[in-house]
Amino acid sequence: GQSLEQPSEVTAVEGAIVQINCTYQTSGFYGLSWYQQHDGGAPTFLSYNALDGLEETGRFSSFLSRSDSYGYLLLQELQMKDSASYFCAFPNRDDKIIFGKGTRLHILP
Amino acid sequence: NAGVTQTPKFQVLKTGQSMTLQCAQDMNHEYMSWYRQDPGMGLRLIHYSVGAGITDQGEVPNGYNVSRSTTEDFPLRLLSAAPSQTSVYFCASSREDNSPLHFGNGTRLTVT
Repeated sequence: GQSLEQPSEVTAVEGAIVQINCTYQTSGFYGLSWYQQHDGGAPTFLSYNALDGLEETGRFSSFLSRSDSYGYLLLQELQMKDSASYFCAFPNRDDKIIFGKGTRLHILP
Repeated sequence: NAGVTQTPKFQVLKTGQSMTLQCAQDMNHEYMSWYRQDPGMGLRLIHYSVGAGITDQGEVPNGYNVSRSTTEDFPLRLLSAAPSQTSVYFCASSREDNSPLHFGNGTRLTVT
């Protein structure tokens, strides 16, 4: 079957760097996406990796290693507004887009 | 540009009642989907559609029906509401299945 595993919570300090990991299991791989969700809000798209390597978008970067079935989201220069839940997700061969259970990021001042 | 519009924002139902959650998008997206979000469970796919006239089941389809008569609309029907269906429901759309999903603002449903 298909599944994604990510830590349930991560805590970091304002101004620091934090990495949120995601490991996945799937029979057909079509890319890994990341979404951010603030409390009470809707998920919003952050990044997508179809190939191995690092994709950078401002303070956020996402990395993928298909051989290791592993990816991560890297947040730099953390700000209090980055306190949110972060989800990895992928589409499978049946066009279903499946999400991990999410990582709650706590930022300390 | 409204994006993905969900109605209602809040709903309270009694067990056994039926209702339809509405979802509309104005981006001409082919792919639409419904998720439910429960604490600690992330987003679980209920049903999805890759185009008008085509629907398929997701991870947790039981108790829900969908139809896709137009590209714009993708309503979710609860046939006979149960307390286990208390959740936040999100509708999402994308250009294709591995394009970024655009989410609606959600519907918070409580079944008593």
